[in-house]
This record gives sequence, C-alpha cells and structure tokens, in this order.
Amino acid sequence: ETGVTQSPTHLIKTRGQQVTLRCSSQSGHNTVSWYQQALGQGPQFIFQYYREEENGRGNFPPRFSGLQFPNYSSELNVNALELDDSALYLCASSLRSLRDIQYFGAGTRLSVL
Amino acid sequence: GQQLNQSPQSMFIQEGEDVSMNCTSSSIFNTWLWYKQEPGEGPVLLIALYKAGELTSNGRLTAQFGITRKDSFLNISASIPSDAGIYFCAGQMGAQKLVFGQGTRLTINP
Repeated sequence: ETGVTQSPTHLIKTRGQQVTLRCSSQSGHNTVSWYQQALGQGPQFIFQYYREEENGRGNFPPRFSGLQFPNYSSELNVNALELDDSALYLCASSLRSLRDIQYFGAGTRLSVL
Repeated sequence: GQQLNQSPQSMFIQEGEDVSMNCTSSSIFNTWLWYKQEPGEGPVLLIALYKAGELTSNGRLTAQFGITRKDSFLNISASIPSDAGIYFCAGQMGAQKLVFGQGTRLTINP
C-alpha cells in the first residue's frame, strides 16, 4: 500500500473524445509524475509536476496535459483520443530530495475504441 | 521513448531455484531501482541503489549498481511462488523521470 490513489480504475472512451485521470499523492509528497504503460512494455514518462509547475516532459504531444493542485493531487488530461492511447496510466508521487523515490498508484486502465 | 535493455524477457523456473536478471543502458544514471509489478497493480519498489558498485539486499533479493553506472542486476535466491510477477529495472538522474526496462516476466512452477 503506497498511499497513492488513482481514479477511475477503468475507463472506456471512443476516438476523438477527451479524458481526465486523477491522482492523490502520498501524504507529505510534493511531486507527481505520470507514466503511460502499453501492454507488455515498461512505463514511459509523460511529465512531472513539482509545486504546481510542470518540471520535465517526455516525448508526448501537447494533447497530453496536466495539472497539480495546492494539495499536490494531480490530473492528467488527454484530448482528441487516439486508438494508441489505450494503455495503463500510472501516477507516482515523491518528496523532492536527494533520494527521490517514486511510489506508484495502481493505475487507470484506458481503452480507446 | 527511451528504454533500458532488460534481460531475459521471461523466465520459467522451478520453486527453490535462484534467479538472475540484468539491465543495461547507453547512458549513466545516479540511481538504479528495481520494481515488481503484479496484475492490476502499479510497480512496487523492491530495492534502490545510489552508488556505483553498491550491493544491497532485501531479504532474498540482492541487487548491484554497476561500476560504469550503466548497468544493474537483480538476484533472487530460493524462489517461492509469490515471487512470480514482472520485474522492472529503472534508472534515474536526480529528482527526474524514471527510465524503465521492458520487464522480465518470472513464472515459477511449484
């Protein structure tokens, strides 16, 4: 139990729609990172938020956007969904420090039809 | 996107056997981590390594941070059925993104 909770657990959308995924950080953590995990692959970094500012972004198009709130919870928004966006989306929280360990939630399984 | 080279991709072993898997990178990292993921769950941290050459144990698990900072291995001794799952290595530079391997799927026959 990492204390990182994600909602919803599963989601089905159609191509072209928009989706919002949510993440509550572990208590005391101020950094949230989002990852996309395609079937049979390792997680791929989407972006990171630290104190409500984006702090690093992976190779994902601008239709992937995020927010971090004052309580350090976070949202991942994806616009104009494509079939290839079907994946497990993982949120990880951490406390920015010299040894920045990221703790993962159970993820949101997104299916785009 | 960037991924580490993790091998083997899958392993089928008998309960009680030892397991070894490794991870290599073309880039150096300051931190190497090993996670385990089970169906319907997110990755769970097993071991974190912070210094080149460091050897760290967590119960029956032992991991090492390679001297070149471009590789790491994980050993599991005397495997048990609950060790089954997918193991991921990950490299990290400071408080930045994790770069993951493709995973090693471990299946254990009782």
